[in-house]
Amino acid sequence: GAVVSQHPSRVICKSGTSVKIECRSLDFQATTMFWYRQFPKKSLMLMATSNEGSKATYEQGVEKDKFLINHASLTLSTLTVTSAHPEDSSFYICSARKGGDGQPQHFGDGTRLSIL
Amino acid sequence: AQSVTQLDSQVPVFEEAPVELRCNYSSSVSVYLFWYVQYPNQGLQLLLKYLSGSTLVKGINGFEAEFNKSQTSFHLRKPSVHISDTAEYFCAVSKTPGNTPLVFGKGTRLSVIA
Repeated sequence: GAVVSQHPSRVICKSGTSVKIECRSLDFQATTMFWYRQFPKKSLMLMATSNEGSKATYEQGVEKDKFLINHASLTLSTLTVTSAHPEDSSFYICSARKGGDGQPQHFGDGTRLSIL
Repeated sequence: AQSVTQLDSQVPVFEEAPVELRCNYSSSVSVYLFWYVQYPNQGLQLLLKYLSGSTLVKGINGFEAEFNKSQTSFHLRKPSVHISDTAEYFCAVSKTPGNTPLVFGKGTRLSVIA
């Protein structure tokens, strides 16, 4: 149980394009979803936390207008990278967590975003 | 605020040898502790977690970890590693109680040598 599906797994697009990444919890309801960015050989950097039906809470230094997060239902959150540029190229990973104290975060397989 | 230190960025070990990956944390409040594994170009998979109770926690793939409150450590161990254990391992903490995000260490690259 606790499967998180992230789509697409890989995106290559031109500079200036907007890219949408989907994160779905397949067999549980995710009260909270998280978006991370991971640079090569580095740890995960939390970008934002989103609760269903609420605005996302962004970490310091993360541009809200650049990285649009929508958490429309208990099983779906989306991250849209608007007007992407080469410096936005990275590995983006989502995770989802059930409600309740001590619940672990379950991760998707990530999206490799390459902006040319 | 919480922080996690993984002292070893890389750990090479021969196949069938034991391994210990070290994790220390810093927090002014109680925490939950987790170990995750990441295979190349994939997301993170939960290996094990400590919430309360017995300080020795057993996880998947033969891994175990021991919570030591006095040393603020949560080291991961496996008595005999396989080639397939080669991956990046992340230690993480979250505040208790509540739904705060995980805070991750920088990761340890475990390389198992045949």
